[in-house]
Amino acid sequence: GAGVSQSPSNKVTEKGKDVELRCDPISGHTALYWYRQSLGQGLEFLIYFQGNSAPDKSGLPSDRFSAERTGGSVSTLTIQRTQQEDSAVYLCASSLVGGGLEQFFGPGTRLTVL
Amino acid sequence: EDQVTQSPEALRLQEGESSSLNCSYTVSGLRGLFWYRQDPGKGPEFLFTLYSAGEEKEKERLKATLTKKESFLHITAPKPEDSATYLCAVQAKASGSRLTFGEGTQLTVNP
Repeated sequence: GAGVSQSPSNKVTEKGKDVELRCDPISGHTALYWYRQSLGQGLEFLIYFQGNSAPDKSGLPSDRFSAERTGGSVSTLTIQRTQQEDSAVYLCASSLVGGGLEQFFGPGTRLTVL
Repeated sequence: EDQVTQSPEALRLQEGESSSLNCSYTVSGLRGLFWYRQDPGKGPEFLFTLYSAGEEKEKERLKATLTKKESFLHITAPKPEDSATYLCAVQAKASGSRLTFGEGTQLTVNP
C-alpha cells in the first residue's frame, strides 16, 4: 500500500516568510510524528499526535513552530517568520498506534531559508 | 535525558567483509530500541525493533542484538547495496512515543 507522503519535496523561502509543510500518513495509522534532521545532526523530535488526544508539543523549538492534524489524518507543520537556522529536512512518520510500534517515515521536505 | 551514541561515525568495508555497528544508549526505562536505514535524499527505512536485553533479530545479511546498555548491528558478507547510513533510536517509557536518535553510522561497501 501507499507509504507516508510529504509535500513539497523541496521548499526555498526567504527569511521572515511563513511556510507550511504537509504530511499524509499511512491510511489507518492513528499516530503521527514530525522530526527535523539538520546537516550533520541526528533526527530531532518535534511533535506527536495520537488520535483525538492532545498533541505532545514538547519538541517544538520555539513558538514560531506549530502543527495541526485535521480529521485524524493529514497534518500540516507551520513555521512562521522563518530563520536561517530553520533550514533542515522535515520528516513525518506514522505508526499504527502510539507506543512501542515502529514508525514509518516519509521522504521528507527539504527546507532552505535564504 | 535520553541519549544515544553511535560508533563509528563512518565505516568503509570491502564486499564480503563482515563487521558490526555499535549503538550505546542511556534511557530511563527502555520501551524499545529501533534500527533504521537511510539512503541519501530519502526518509529512514525501518529495519528492526528490540524490546529486551538478550533479544536478537535477523533480516538477510543484518542481525541486531540488544544488551542493557547497547545494541549491535552485525553485517555479514555485505554487498555494495548495503551502503547507507544506519540510525539507532530509543523510545523511553517516560518519554511518550517520541524516538531519540543517534547521529548514525555511514556505511560504504566497496565492490
